[in-house]
Amino acid sequence: AQKITQTQPGMFVQEKEAVTLDCTYDTSDQSYGLFWYKQPSSGEMIFLIYQGSYDEQNATEGRYSLNFQKARKSANLVISASQLGDSAMYFCQVKTSYDKVIFGPGTSLSVIP
Amino acid sequence: DSGVTQTPKHLITATGQRVTLRCSPRSGDLSVYWYQQSLDQGLQFLIQYYNGEERAKGNILERFSAQQFPDLHSELNLSSLELGDSALYFCASSVGNSGNTGELFFGEGSRLTVL
Repeated sequence: AQKITQTQPGMFVQEKEAVTLDCTYDTSDQSYGLFWYKQPSSGEMIFLIYQGSYDEQNATEGRYSLNFQKARKSANLVISASQLGDSAMYFCQVKTSYDKVIFGPGTSLSVIP
Repeated sequence: DSGVTQTPKHLITATGQRVTLRCSPRSGDLSVYWYQQSLDQGLQFLIQYYNGEERAKGNILERFSAQQFPDLHSELNLSSLELGDSALYFCASSVGNSGNTGELFFGEGSRLTVL
């Protein structure tokens, strides 16, 4: 069965520091997409970044980057220069063929001033 | 604004009752997903539709049912409600035919409270 693990239920980071949120996944599909979403306390789900399984370069979107290690089935999200507004839940997601979507349990990030 | 519309935003009802949650996907999106998020819990996948057909089923209770209509909007029906059904119910949509690309666009959710 396909599964996503986010081993850090909660994390703290000092403002302006970088933080890495872990995500490992298990899928038998060769072609898949990796996504990260942010859910602030207000509740909405916000798409952050995408990485294709065949992409050779790690994805970057502003302060967000994805440390993709395909052999280890790892897709860690790196947030640089943390801001107070980054405090939220972060979910890792895998999308495989036929739009099958799996979410991880999430990591709660708190940014400390 | 994600382009996904969910109604109602808030709903308070009693145990044993039945409610219907509605979702209008983003224009052009063929796939609709329903998720349940309880307090302090992650996203529990319920069901997915693609162009009117059920594509995948998750941990959806037998008391719950859903459908996607020809105009692509979807409804999630929850019946014989129990206290434990109190949750935030998200609808999300995606293009649906883009393989493993194409992020999900989420609605703001329908917060259901069962008293």
